[in-house]
Amino acid sequence: KAGVTQTPRYLIKTRGQQVTLSCSPISGHRSVSWYQQTPGQGLQFLFEYFSETQRNKGNFPGRFSGRQFSNSRSEMNVSTLELGDSALYLCASSWGPGGANTEAFFGQGTRLTVV
Amino acid sequence: GDSVTQMEGPVTLSEEAFLTINCTYTATGYPSLFWYVQYPGEGLQLLLKATKADDKGSNKGFEATYRKETTSFHLEKGSVQVSDSAVYFCALSDKGAQKLVFGQGTRLTINP
Repeated sequence: KAGVTQTPRYLIKTRGQQVTLSCSPISGHRSVSWYQQTPGQGLQFLFEYFSETQRNKGNFPGRFSGRQFSNSRSEMNVSTLELGDSALYLCASSWGPGGANTEAFFGQGTRLTVV
Repeated sequence: GDSVTQMEGPVTLSEEAFLTINCTYTATGYPSLFWYVQYPGEGLQLLLKATKADDKGSNKGFEATYRKETTSFHLEKGSVQVSDSAVYFCALSDKGAQKLVFGQGTRLTINP
């Protein structure tokens, strides 16, 4: 069974541009979460989607947005990029919306560099 | 809000040494607790988990016990190998929410 697939793996953008990252969850999984990983702040939760609805949102500015499609694939968008947005963006999928025995499976991430 | 604190790294050990990575948490409810491992250039892999007090999670020789009284979930391994070199993250999630709160990570290097 294929794992969580994130595309692209690497991306270089210029300040002020916008970017869209994609995440394809494991087949049958309906929940997708996004995380930002930086050396300074560590791993921080961005948002979670289940059945096309955003269920939770982290403490990030409105420039960060996401959506989930009917096939559970998810995209996140960052507008007006800043140097500080350079990070590894990780997507995680799980079967359900959470709970004691719901395991999250992570993709390899998209490395975004803003210059 | 919820938070996780891990012992600061990096940690360097010799092969076959005993490993402990400390993790304590703060949470308002009764969270599930996890240890994730990240190898270079990779995403996170779940190493083990515990969902209620006194549960012991174990996998690949690693163990951690959910201690509610000390709000801790320390990771241990009796004999580490070079292949265990990675970054280890302690995390919690509130039941019913697919939102993980991570510690800052501990970089572990095992020398042959």
